[in-house]
Order: sequence, then structure tokens, then C-alpha cells
Amino acid sequence: DGGITQSPKYLFRKEGQNVTLSCEQNLNHDAMYWYRQDPGQGLRLIYYSQIVNDFQKGDIAEGYSVSREKKESFPLTVTSAQKNPTAFYLCASSPSPGQGTYEQYFGPGTRLTVT
Amino acid sequence: GQNIDQPTEMTATEGAIVQINCTYQTSGFNGLFWYQQHAGEAPTFLSYNVLDGLEEKGRFSSFLSRSKGYSYLLLKELQMKDSASYLCAVRVPGEYGGATNKLIFGTGTLLAVQP
Repeated sequence: DGGITQSPKYLFRKEGQNVTLSCEQNLNHDAMYWYRQDPGQGLRLIYYSQIVNDFQKGDIAEGYSVSREKKESFPLTVTSAQKNPTAFYLCASSPSPGQGTYEQYFGPGTRLTVT
Repeated sequence: GQNIDQPTEMTATEGAIVQINCTYQTSGFNGLFWYQQHAGEAPTFLSYNVLDGLEEKGRFSSFLSRSKGYSYLLLKELQMKDSASYLCAVRVPGEYGGATNKLIFGTGTLLAVQP
């Protein structure tokens, strides 16, 4: 089945450690996105990528880094510079504009807890 | 700046109709989405409006007025499983004005359906 996978579903880390969250899609979508969601809040955009080897900062990129070496993969690294990393992280993908639908398809999310 | 407003919480009765409002002020507008999100899960697509008017899809309808910066989601014949957060999101141009599927999300409206 086509879709987006994120792993793991739950992740625990000690403060000061970098951690990388995985996101893979087999929908053949050009664009991919990372969001952060805090309790009772909407989604805030961290980074997005419209094409392989290119990505742009979203609204809250500080303390995060990404790479887009393959169309299917868009890993997010939460660095020790991120002051409040505990959150629910969602990855999404979408076709490029002009390729039909505009909706974003979401993965199941990774809940990161840093203590 | 980007601003999307929704009520924080709403309560409705099973079998009834509920309307969730969304107002937006964004730098650019290329369409408006509604997503449903159950607690701890990924958002799922409900509707997309790019032109003024009403879009109907089964028990769910969505309305858009671009001149007023206003949308609403109408849920009919409410069921207990409709208890969820409803996210309003605006599709905006990219950093340099180009077309993207980048979304700005509101904080979401938590709907509780009571028996």
C-alpha cells in the first residue's frame, strides 16, 4: 500500500543528545514537510522540501536540520540546540503544484520525549 | 504576517449539526483545507476550497468567502466518532512567491460530541 511511514512511534532521549526522526513515502510525491505539534496546538512548519536536494526553513526551524538526498526520504534531526524538543512530530508529503491534488498526506507521527 | 483563527473548543449533541468557523489573514491565498485529527493520530483530509461557495461531501460541507477571509466546516448528523480536532489550513505561496503546497495551520477546534 502507498503511504508515509514514520519511525519510531515513541522516542525517548536525554537532554543534550541529537536525535533523527525517520520519514519515508512511496507516493511518488515531490514535496515533503515536517511539522511539530504541541498539546492543544495546531501544526507548526519546521522545514519543507519541494524537490530532491533542496529544502526551505519553515516558521520554527531553529534547532532542527533536514536532508533530502532521495525523493522518498526526508529525515529530521532534532539537535541539542532545540530548547523544547518534547513534542509530537508529523511528516507529510504532497504532489507538486500543477500535478493535480494539493492535499498533504500525513504519516502516523513520532512522539519525542526529552528528559 | 500569517494569522488563522478558530474557536478552541465546541460541544454538540449526537445527531445535531455543528458549524466550525475559521478566519484568516495571510500573505497570499491559494486555497483552504479542513483536516480532522483524532487524539494522538495524524490529520486526515476532509475538504478543499479555492473558489467562493459551498463544497458538499456527504455529512461534511465547507464554505469559503475569499473577500471576507472566512470559511466554515459544517458537520451534519453528528456521530460520537466525530469527536476530534478540526484544523483549518491555508495554502500559501512559497518564500519567493512561487507556487507551493505549503500550508499554514490554525490551532484547531476540539469538538466534543455528547450523547
